[in-house]
Amino acid sequence: SAVISQKPSRDICQRGTSLTIQCQVDSQVTMMFWYRQQPGQSLTLIATANQGSEATYESGFVIDKFPISRPNLTFSTLTVSNMSPEDSSIYLCSATGLAGQETQYFGPGTRLLVL
Amino acid sequence: LAKTTQPISMDSYEGQEVNITCSHNNIATNDYITWYQQFPSQGPRFIIQGYKTKVTNEVASLFIPADRKSSTLSLPRVSLSDTAVYYCLVGAFHSGGYQKVTFGIGTKLQVIP
Repeated sequence: SAVISQKPSRDICQRGTSLTIQCQVDSQVTMMFWYRQQPGQSLTLIATANQGSEATYESGFVIDKFPISRPNLTFSTLTVSNMSPEDSSIYLCSATGLAGQETQYFGPGTRLLVL
Repeated sequence: LAKTTQPISMDSYEGQEVNITCSHNNIATNDYITWYQQFPSQGPRFIIQGYKTKVTNEVASLFIPADRKSSTLSLPRVSLSDTAVYYCLVGAFHSGGYQKVTFGIGTKLQVIP
């Protein structure tokens, strides 16, 4: 299986600021996704990061709040903009299409606390 | 996307076989069933996937009846390290080679010494 890393692993931020989370895969992948997970809760899909085009957002998530980049087949970023305490959560990226496999592989997550 | 229903929590003693059943009554013809495992402070990890009948790998077995309206994940002889949340997911594979799924609340398995 491939290795997916995220930076930072955790951060504490002030409200009104923005944080960019990086996701790096050690091999080329077809699709990359960004999820949010509140502590003790399930995962909610934020968006699909498309290489070379705009991300596809799920209902309830907008590009102005969660801009996403995917400049190549191994890297993506998620920015949490104008943060509020309600954005405190774990943000996970995942990837699929690794070496022909189609299941999703997840990164370790970025734990964000907004004060 | 097909909705799934699974028990919120289960307890088991070490060494026992654990079976977690998931209901997916409105599963579509093209949907596959996938199970993930998540430990605290980690991302979910793929366990097993199937379409029908029985699938077995080095970690678990997946039993799917003919009507495919449910599936059972079987973990043989669990150990304390199997304590985790287990998610049952159902979805079709898109042309881009990915399975778009919706995570439910999962089953929190607690293995007791």
